[in-house]
Amino acid sequence: EVQLLESGGGLVQPGESLRLSCAASEFTFSNYAINWVRQAPGKGLEWVSGISGGGGNTYYADSVKGRFTISRDNSNNTVYLQMDSLRADDTAVYYCAKETSSTSGWYGARFDNWGQGTLVTVSS
Amino acid sequence: QSVLTQPPSASGTPGQRVTISCSGSNSNIGTSTVNWYQQLPGTAPKLLIYSNNQRPSGVPDRFSGSKSGTSASLAISGLQSDDEADYYCAAWDDSLNGYWVFGGGTKLTVL
Repeated sequence: EVQLLESGGGLVQPGESLRLSCAASEFTFSNYAINWVRQAPGKGLEWVSGISGGGGNTYYADSVKGRFTISRDNSNNTVYLQMDSLRADDTAVYYCAKETSSTSGWYGARFDNWGQGTLVTVSS
Repeated sequence: QSVLTQPPSASGTPGQRVTISCSGSNSNIGTSTVNWYQQLPGTAPKLLIYSNNQRPSGVPDRFSGSKSGTSASLAISGLQSDDEADYYCAAWDDSLNGYWVFGGGTKLTVL
């Protein structure tokens, strides 16, 4: 069974940094794009970032471009989200989600497996 | 403000059929397939419908999806109390570098 396990969330002050990890198992990791999707308290889902299976293509929402960096280590089956210059409106549960293709957005692609999420709170 | 537009709420009584709409544009729904996710209270989202109208293994055939032009819809027939959840549509938007877009979500209440 596919497993995705997020970690690294916590409480930080505005302007600080945090790195989230998404550890994957039970599938051929390098064959699939991985995405981060967040959900602010009481709000809907917001796609944040994605990375292709080989790591050569990355995608970002405008709201995080220039502040967040996604990367992956295919030897350790892990995707990272480096979050810098955090703001109060970055407060959310962050989910990692496996896409069904190696490159994001292929016709018919979808997020077929999700982790349980990790909470990031940005507050002074 | 979400790129895809959904009604914030929907409701029905047990056994009824309800539909949830999702409106987009030529750069997303118009050129991509639509996926639907179900989020039960306190849990992670789960894929419910993919490629406009396909159900993953294990999803009951009470759930169905359709797409026409730049709009899509999710239908739930034979409504059950444990269908009470938030439902989100999503699609790939191929403008600029490309990115995923979600609807704002529809909270379904079973009366």
